[in-house]
Amino acid sequence: KQEVTQIPAALSVPEGENLVLNCSFTDSAIYNLQWFRQDPGKGLTSLLLIQSSQREQTSGRLNASLDKSSGRSTLYIAASQPGDSATYLCAAGSNYQLIWGAGTKLIIKP
Amino acid sequence: SQTIHQWPATLVQPVGSPLSLECTVEGTSNPNLYWYRQAAGRGLQLLFYSVGIGQISSEVPQNLSASRPQDRQFILSSKKLLLSDSGFYLCAWSLDSYGYTFGSGTRLTVV
Repeated sequence: KQEVTQIPAALSVPEGENLVLNCSFTDSAIYNLQWFRQDPGKGLTSLLLIQSSQREQTSGRLNASLDKSSGRSTLYIAASQPGDSATYLCAAGSNYQLIWGAGTKLIIKP
Repeated sequence: SQTIHQWPATLVQPVGSPLSLECTVEGTSNPNLYWYRQAAGRGLQLLFYSVGIGQISSEVPQNLSASRPQDRQFILSSKKLLLSDSGFYLCAWSLDSYGYTFGSGTRLTVV
């Protein structure tokens, strides 16, 4: 049974720092790995999708990597801004299923 | 481009009343459709998914039901709401392995 773990559960850093959010999964038989952002009381916004055959994806200041053999994905945020404050969720996709991590609550201090 | 619409955004309903939440997808054909619930301070729980018209799979036993009367329409219903049905309901769609796209959600409060 697939399990997804996100570390840390919460993170608070000063504005401008680069940071890394971690996601690990137990079953490497995934179709893809997706990172989402959720602002309080709002829906989910897809940030990056990495297919199982890919190693990384980049969008602006965000870079996500995928290492299926070790069961890990990281989300790298460069030059963090207060607007990056949100909960970040990773989800491992397989057949009609998304297995979710519990999320990392990120606070960027001005 | 593909878009997903979910409504209403907020809903306050008395215990025992019926429920109907609607989700529609534009710009794609034969998507996989999903209903998720997020209780306050909790993670996302998959309630139902559908791979085609009239095909519904339920992930957890509950007071809710889902229907897919058209290819790009997914409806979440209840005949009699319970207090425990309160939460944030999210509709999503996916196509093959191209990831999931979520609607903006419906916040349901049962009073």
